[in-house]
Amino acid sequence: EPEVTQTPSHQVTQMGQEVILRCVPISNHLYFYWYRQILGQKVEFLVSFYNNEISEKSEIFDDQFSVERPDGSNFTLKIRSTKLEDSAMYFCASRRQGSSGTGELFFGEGSRLTVL
Amino acid sequence: AQSVAQPEDQVNVAEGNPLTVKCTYSVSGNPYLFWYVQYPNRGLQFLLKYITGDNLVKGSYGFEAEFNKSQTSFHLKKPSALVSDSALYFCAVRDGGSGNTGKLIFGQGTTLQVKP
Repeated sequence: EPEVTQTPSHQVTQMGQEVILRCVPISNHLYFYWYRQILGQKVEFLVSFYNNEISEKSEIFDDQFSVERPDGSNFTLKIRSTKLEDSAMYFCASRRQGSSGTGELFFGEGSRLTVL
Repeated sequence: AQSVAQPEDQVNVAEGNPLTVKCTYSVSGNPYLFWYVQYPNRGLQFLLKYITGDNLVKGSYGFEAEFNKSQTSFHLKKPSALVSDSALYFCAVRDGGSGNTGKLIFGQGTTLQVKP
């Protein structure tokens, strides 16, 4: 069964460093998402991406964050200058094109980011 | 804005007994509702969804959910719980207020503990 894959599974970084989290969505999917989950808390929406541009972003997704689909298969989340509060599990998700957006999202296993 | 609420942080049930994990929703327009499960240190796995039609929706691993429009609820159920069902369960609603991005808004999650 096709799946969303994410790398790295765990990254430890120093505050102020740049981090890139990578995702390979399911190949015939057209909508892509990043969510994050701070330990023990709910899953929060960060950004959605469609047709090579951001379609929606949350308040969390400030200028320190960016997303890119550089080569038609990878979907990356970059945090330019990490803060302690960026420590979380980051989930990539994808969705195939469906009627009125009713399709379910398929999630990767997540990338745990620890900022020291 | 669309939202879901999961009133219970934790549900405890004995193996073999029926289980219910509660979810209520608040939407404008038609509700598109989803259940996901998260095992420790894993991503979110799709269980089932309600888009339209039969109020009783069947999903993966023997789970089902009942859509109740008058009570604005979408409770997750299983007739006979297994120890392996112990996990974190999230209810979600599609955010119809943001065009067709298909973004999901998640509840805060309910931990299900099934004791042998």
